Amino acid sequence: EAGVAQSPRYKIIEKRQSVAFWCNPISGHATLYWYQQILGQGPKLLIQFQNNGVVDDSQLPKDRFSAERLKGVDSTLKIQPAKLEDSAVYLCASSLQVRVEKLFFGSGTQLSVL
Amino acid sequence: SQQGEEDPQALSIQEGENATMNCSYKTSINNLQWYRQNSGRGLVHLILIRSNEREKHSGRLRVTLDTSKKSSSLLITASRAADTASYFCATDASGTYKYIFGTGTRLKVLA
Repeated sequence: EAGVAQSPRYKIIEKRQSVAFWCNPISGHATLYWYQQILGQGPKLLIQFQNNGVVDDSQLPKDRFSAERLKGVDSTLKIQPAKLEDSAVYLCASSLQVRVEKLFFGSGTQLSVL
Repeated sequence: SQQGEEDPQALSIQEGENATMNCSYKTSINNLQWYRQNSGRGLVHLILIRSNEREKHSGRLRVTLDTSKKSSSLLITASRAADTASYFCATDASGTYKYIFGTGTRLKVLA
């Protein structure tokens, strides 16, 4: 079965620019997560979707970050405007349902903000 | 905020030795999971242990859970160079199914 697909793999931008990341979860997976992983740290949950509805976005900096999951399949995470401290790997994960606990991760998008 | 804290932060062992890493967490949980992350890659699920279980095995992996101490340990037996990776525990506060990851243990297995 195909895994979680993410693009782009790498992105370099200057501060105050905008950037978008795309994620396509495993087919049939209803729950989708975006995590931010700063170098040397564990992944930090930004937002969790169940189908196309938001389950939790309490850790999402909503003044600059936004995410959507139209049609309950693929998802886009956007940062506008980017700050230096946004440099991190952005990981997308999916699971079959909220109450099915095993998460499947994509390879991530490595963002460098200069 | 981080729910889990792994210990040690880094571990270096010889091939064939056992590796033990620990995870402590703050709130009651439904379950605890361990994930592996190779450099530059996404995380891979290793094993899940539920709050009513005390020990679980999967191949060379052994996980224990002590809910009274809010801690878990992951044992990798007969380690191999391919086990070199970062290992993270993930927990969900009871009822939330929101998975929070710890800070990770960086394991290096020397051939």
